[in-house]
Amino acid sequence: DTEVTQTPKHLVMGMTNKKSLKCEQHMGHRAMYWYKQKAKKPPELMFVYSYEKLSINESVPSRFSPECPNSSLLNLHLHALQPEDSALYLCASSQVPAVSTDTQYFGPGTRLTVL
Amino acid sequence: GENVEQHPSTLSVQEGDSAVIKCTYSDSASNYFPWYKQELGKRPQLIIDIRSNVGEKKDQRIAVTLNKTAKHFSLHITETQPEDSAVYFCAALGAGGTSYGKLTFGQGTILTVHP
Repeated sequence: DTEVTQTPKHLVMGMTNKKSLKCEQHMGHRAMYWYKQKAKKPPELMFVYSYEKLSINESVPSRFSPECPNSSLLNLHLHALQPEDSALYLCASSQVPAVSTDTQYFGPGTRLTVL
Repeated sequence: GENVEQHPSTLSVQEGDSAVIKCTYSDSASNYFPWYKQELGKRPQLIIDIRSNVGEKKDQRIAVTLNKTAKHFSLHITETQPEDSAVYFCAALGAGGTSYGKLTFGQGTILTVHP
């Protein structure tokens, strides 16, 4: 089973709200990723977790706060977002972190709209 | 870091024709190259990948070729069908320096197959 799940599917929030995106995989993968994708653009890497530790932060603003509670779960906490943060947020996982031939599998994404 | 160029940005073919999408990459250390298909509103789905120890890989109507010397790889779809219509992204997984473990995507190709 190569399934990554994400909740919610859609989220609308105001600029003062606090919300969280959730991602789950039960494939025993030890690397998990957050990507942001704007319309008609490729996914852009935000964060990488390897063995539940944050290993890469692509200079993402602090209003995005990732968390990896265990090897199956990945959260993205959102606070004080801007309308330009509206996008599709994709989670991905791969089997072995920092291996240069490791396949990443994507979840269905959360469509975020910031009003 | 890694840079991936993808061409063409749009491709329109008649059902039954072949489609070819080409990508070049900059980091000679990269050795894993996946292709993702993304239908409107859905997740990027891995359709084929190639590792640098082979020059070509085929899966039914889809094939990928890799030329490591020239640093380019291509996706070939034969006998195209309307359901092949989607955005296709090539990617390269970094294997050196600050690109290590990061997936860099091309800008995408919008493929339209006309019945």
